Amino acid sequence: SQTIHQWPATLVQPVGSPLSLECTVEGTSNPNLYWYRQAAGRGLQLLFYSVGIGQISSEVPQNLSASRPQDRQFILSSKKLLLSDSGFYLCAWTSEGQGNTEAFFGQGTRLTVV
Amino acid sequence: AQSVAQPEDQVNVAEGNPLTVKCTYSVSGNPYLFWYVQYPNRGLQFLLKYITGDNLVKGSYGFEAEFNKSQTSFHLKKPSALVSDSALYFCAVRLIKTSGTYKYIFGTGTRLKVLA
Repeated sequence: SQTIHQWPATLVQPVGSPLSLECTVEGTSNPNLYWYRQAAGRGLQLLFYSVGIGQISSEVPQNLSASRPQDRQFILSSKKLLLSDSGFYLCAWTSEGQGNTEAFFGQGTRLTVV
Repeated sequence: AQSVAQPEDQVNVAEGNPLTVKCTYSVSGNPYLFWYVQYPNRGLQFLLKYITGDNLVKGSYGFEAEFNKSQTSFHLKKPSALVSDSALYFCAVRLIKTSGTYKYIFGTGTRLKVLA
């Protein structure tokens, strides 16, 4: 069965520090991968998605970047965090090739920038 | 613009009563529609989906949803609410981008409170 791992679960970082959040998927190959941000416990904003290694599409201009160094690994990064980067970050995957249509989510990372 | 709307920020219902959480959509073509549930500080859990076929779809934990094409709605329902159903519920739609890839957009969420 497929699983998605996201870490860390919580993170407190000072303004101006770097960020690296990691997401890995097991049990599937060539997934589509997504990073979402949820602010104030409400709506989800799509930040990045990737359809393959090294292929990243950005949905909104921001202080963050994403990379996909391996097929099942998706990393969200920042060189210098801003207060406004605080939020709940969710990684998700889909795999159209296996006939699935729904997205599966990781457990999320709560980032607090202080 | 293609979008998903959840008109209610919060829905309160007494335990044992039926519940409805509303969702409307505005997309071109035939939509793929989804419902997810989120518990505090957790990721989203898939509940059910509509792709094609019967307009009433059944999902996890006794939830069901009714697709209504003429009203462009996909309301989530449950005949008898439980206190443990209290959570944040998201409606979502899958869009096909011009590149052929898929993108999922979510409503703003509806907080369901089931009162004992």
